[in-house]
Amino acid sequence: IAGITQAPTSQILAAGRRMTLRCTQDMRHNAMYWYRQDLGLGLRLIHYSNTAGTTGKGEVPDGYSVSRANTDDFPLTLASAVPSQTSVYFCASSTGTGDTDTQYFGPGTRLTVL
Amino acid sequence: GQNIDQPTEMTATEGAIVQINCTYQTSGFNGLFWYQQHAGEAPTFLSYNVLDGLEEKGRFSSFLSRSKGYSYLLLKELQMKDSASYLCAVRDSNYQLIWGAGTKLIIKP
Repeated sequence: IAGITQAPTSQILAAGRRMTLRCTQDMRHNAMYWYRQDLGLGLRLIHYSNTAGTTGKGEVPDGYSVSRANTDDFPLTLASAVPSQTSVYFCASSTGTGDTDTQYFGPGTRLTVL
Repeated sequence: GQNIDQPTEMTATEGAIVQINCTYQTSGFNGLFWYQQHAGEAPTFLSYNVLDGLEEKGRFSSFLSRSKGYSYLLLKELQMKDSASYLCAVRDSNYQLIWGAGTKLIIKP
């Protein structure tokens, strides 16, 4: 593994189903993030984690949950999917330190909720 | 509220220069980022400004004026592979990134 991986690449899901999007990074970054990207809108932060064992809510957390059991993994769960959660989901990570603290993105998961 | 404004779409000619503007109103300022995103791909980091002035990196330069809440990304010697969306993001007082909707740049031969 090099960088950040996400799975699945794409998924079609029936409304009401539970779904977990996976994200793994091998850069030993402390901070990780989940964004959604919708046409005509900027990336919106769903949840974040500054370090293993801690999580925080972003701009649009409702309907989503996360966990950070270790440094490498940061799964995003939709407990009961709704059509408005149709989007492209990006996971990102950063060192969590330093002035720049650049975020590096995974390839994304395209989710369609019907 | 917090707001990042960028033009929705721009068109330029191969070999030319293009300037993509970004204005922002955020609660606090801890740096401004530019990312490039090709269609169907992840955003990739281009540049970071935290102090006023111009940062040059090869064909790409980024400028910041904190007093005006303004930045631009300058792309020189445009190539067809520069066709992409360019995202402006500001890190706010909570150290979270606030993102603009992106500028789709179309390069014509």
